[in-house]
Amino acid sequence: EDQVTQSPEALRLQEGESSSLNCSYTVSGLRGLFWYRQDPGKGPEFLFTLYSAGEEKEKERLKATLTKKESFLHITAPKPEDSATYLCAVQAYTGANSKLTFGKGITLSVRP
Amino acid sequence: NAGVTQTPKFQVLKTGQSMTLQCAQDMNHEYMSWYRQDPGMGLRLIHYSVGAGITDQGEVPNGYNVSRSTTEDFPLRLLSAAPSQTSVYFCASSYAYGGLAAGANVLTFGAGSRLTVL
Repeated sequence: EDQVTQSPEALRLQEGESSSLNCSYTVSGLRGLFWYRQDPGKGPEFLFTLYSAGEEKEKERLKATLTKKESFLHITAPKPEDSATYLCAVQAYTGANSKLTFGKGITLSVRP
Repeated sequence: NAGVTQTPKFQVLKTGQSMTLQCAQDMNHEYMSWYRQDPGMGLRLIHYSVGAGITDQGEVPNGYNVSRSTTEDFPLRLLSAAPSQTSVYFCASSYAYGGLAAGANVLTFGAGSRLTVL
């Protein structure tokens, strides 16, 4: 069974204090690993897709990396507006019935 | 471009009542889906559709019905609401979920519908 474990559950940072969010996964044949951001009372918003070990993607202060067992979302010099819940999901194989397994999310709070 | 629109945003039901959560998208996406989000759990797939007239079950389909008569709309029906269906429901769409093209598997989510069943 595909599994996604995100850690820590919650993270409090001071503005400018860089850190990393972890997503550990087990999946039978990884098609893609996804990171989404979710603000309170809103739906998840797509950030990145990673397909193979060693791949990295960046967007502003965020950088996502992927190994064969886990993915990290690195946040460099975060700002209060980066406060949100970050969701990780893995997709096995291809096809419309390919299952997307989500983690429970990491709630990030950045204090000014 | 509105994206994915869900209505209502909030709803309170009594046990045994029925209702329909509405979902509409204006991006001409073929794939549409319904997820539920519960505290301490990841998003779980209820039903999905790969095009008008085609629907299939996800991970947690019991107690829910769907239909897809148009590309734009994908309503979720609760037949006889139970307290276990108290949750936040998200509709999500993709232009080609399951495909190989870059971006095909990215989901665009609606803002959610919070349902409480008493």
